[in-house]
Amino acid sequence: NAGVTQTPKFQVLKTGQSMTLQCAQDMNHEYMSWYRQDPGMGLRLIHYSVGAGITDQGEVPNGYNVSRSTTEDFPLRLLSAAPSQTSVYFCASSYSMRQGDIQYFGAGTRLSVL
Amino acid sequence: KQEVTQIPAALSVPEGENLVLNCSFTDSAIYNLQWFRQDPGKGLTSLLLIQSSQREQTSGRLNASLDKSSGRSTLYIAASQPGDSATYLCAVIEETSGSRLTFGEGTQLTVNP
Repeated sequence: NAGVTQTPKFQVLKTGQSMTLQCAQDMNHEYMSWYRQDPGMGLRLIHYSVGAGITDQGEVPNGYNVSRSTTEDFPLRLLSAAPSQTSVYFCASSYSMRQGDIQYFGAGTRLSVL
Repeated sequence: KQEVTQIPAALSVPEGENLVLNCSFTDSAIYNLQWFRQDPGKGLTSLLLIQSSQREQTSGRLNASLDKSSGRSTLYIAASQPGDSATYLCAVIEETSGSRLTFGEGTQLTVNP
């Protein structure tokens, strides 16, 4: 199994450009989420989904959109990139969010906004 | 708001030493606590998950304990090896927001040959 796959691995954008970070999992997991990791701030939750067609906001949702049309995919869209969105983005999934469910993380997308 | 703190922020030890990493959290109403490992430029790998009803979990040379009432967890690494060098993160899932992990900032561990 591939696990959680994120593309691209690296991306450089200019301020105001839009793009979509892709995330796919092949484990039939219900729960998927997006985090950003910044020095001195740790990992912070952007958006999450508890199943196809259901999404909700996390701690830092502004400037990002998500949708979940299939169980496998959970793309993260930057509508108009800003330098403050320079970060490393991680997608994670788990079967559910019950007590015993381990979360699996992708390798990350490193984004620079100039 | 839940806050997770990890001490120390960085740790350097000689190979073979036993070591303890600390994690504390402010709200004891948690579903579970997880310890992750992150290698430079890589994603996170789950090491151990402790459910709120458990006191500890073990995997190989790793042992994690949980004292929910005092808001503390420790990760014990026995007989450390250079391959253990990485950043170790702890994260909790709260009872009131069962869909999100709250992370500490991590402890960067270096094991010197």
